[in-house]
Amino acid sequence: QVQLQESGPGLVRPSETLSLTCNVSGDSFSNYHWSWIRQPPGKGLEWIGYFYYNGSPNYNPSLQSRVTISLDTSKSQFSLRLTSVTAADTAVYYCAREGFDRLLRYYFDSWGQGLRVTVSS
Amino acid sequence: DIQMTQSPSSLSASVGDRVTIACRASQSIATYLNWFQQKPGKAPKVLIFGASTLQSGVPSRFSGSGSGTDFTLTISSLQPDDFATYYCQQSYNTPRTFGGGTKVEIK
Repeated sequence: QVQLQESGPGLVRPSETLSLTCNVSGDSFSNYHWSWIRQPPGKGLEWIGYFYYNGSPNYNPSLQSRVTISLDTSKSQFSLRLTSVTAADTAVYYCAREGFDRLLRYYFDSWGQGLRVTVSS
Repeated sequence: DIQMTQSPSSLSASVGDRVTIACRASQSIATYLNWFQQKPGKAPKVLIFGASTLQSGVPSRFSGSGSGTDFTLTISSLQPDDFATYYCQQSYNTPRTFGGGTKVEIK
């Protein structure tokens, strides 16, 4: 059973870079999209992007200029970098695995517990 | 981007009630539609994928239907553990997008 766990600072200063890591245990990185999703306080879910194990990232256009997702299979982890943060980036950040069924319909089948990140001076 | 619209945004129901939540996509997404349940302070949990396939371990009182642009999540007999917020989400293309959520509260 795969397990995901986010780590990183809970407070980031405005204009700085948010850096989070997701540690993965219990499965390989093959054939999945390794994803980041966030949820502002009291609001809904926003997909940030994913990194496919063969080296292809895919980002939400609304964040594309500021976001980088990378994979380090040797450490069994993947990471999120979000530059030039503002208060609007305050949210709970989730890492998630996106798998697929036999018809190649994708779905987020495993999630980390979430990490609350506040952007404030 | 594909816009996902859920209705209602909230509802009050009693244990044993049949509950239906609707989700509409701004364009056809075939059956690339997933449903999640989220409880306060917890990560979302997938209930249904591919519009109608029940995730392993999810009680059979949950069911999903629909294709194209209109989808439904049904809880056949609401249980105390089901009071939560429910989200639909499309995986037809990127960016992945979610509905605004439906909060199911105790009447």
